[in-house]
Amino acid sequence: QKEVEQDPGPLSVPEGAIVSLNCTYSNSAFQYFMWYRQYSRKGPELLMYTYSSGNKEDGRFTAQVDKSSKYISLFIRDSQPSDSATYLCAMSAGDYKLSFGAGTTVTVRA
Amino acid sequence: DSGVTQTPKHLITATGQRVTLRCSPRSGDLSVYWYQQSLDQGLQFLIQYYNGEERAKGNILERFSAQQFPDLHSELNLSSLELGDSALYFCASSLGVQGYYGYTFGSGTRLTVV
Repeated sequence: QKEVEQDPGPLSVPEGAIVSLNCTYSNSAFQYFMWYRQYSRKGPELLMYTYSSGNKEDGRFTAQVDKSSKYISLFIRDSQPSDSATYLCAMSAGDYKLSFGAGTTVTVRA
Repeated sequence: DSGVTQTPKHLITATGQRVTLRCSPRSGDLSVYWYQQSLDQGLQFLIQYYNGEERAKGNILERFSAQQFPDLHSELNLSSLELGDSALYFCASSLGVQGYYGYTFGSGTRLTVV
């Protein structure tokens, strides 16, 4: 079993829809949770960062962490074609290493 | 531009050969991380250097080695290359030794072994 599970998709939604992405994990030591966005042929860029459980909102993006269920989510409201990318969840127990999910490929259709 | 520079962007080489990938971290960052990204394995941590010293090792093959120089740039050396080494190799950097607040990634080097 992988430490971080993420459905690779692909996910295709019409413009303006809400995109819902999620990851589950098995390591209860994880406390720091991130979402990265990766465009084709580019490196991942940090999108959202959350510590411990709770919600965090940044513009059209909302990240949720439920440590009791070992489940994290990312919601993208009013999705745009420019949001088409691969989204990777990442998490850390507080050391050097980030453990990544496999990434979910999202396409927003105009 | 993330501030992390990787060269070359693309590399095509034959099996059995040796290549060197280069990374310059974001200005001020002392930690450099190397990751391998393949379609079936996702992003896999290889190795971390902090201020010139090796700090952590992940699933790095013995045929692979890395170092960080006094000017903080880093090189990843891949030798006796096999077809399965074909992947995207990313360098990332962070300010401190602990990367739990996230790294900044470069654009990667796409290695194709033929």
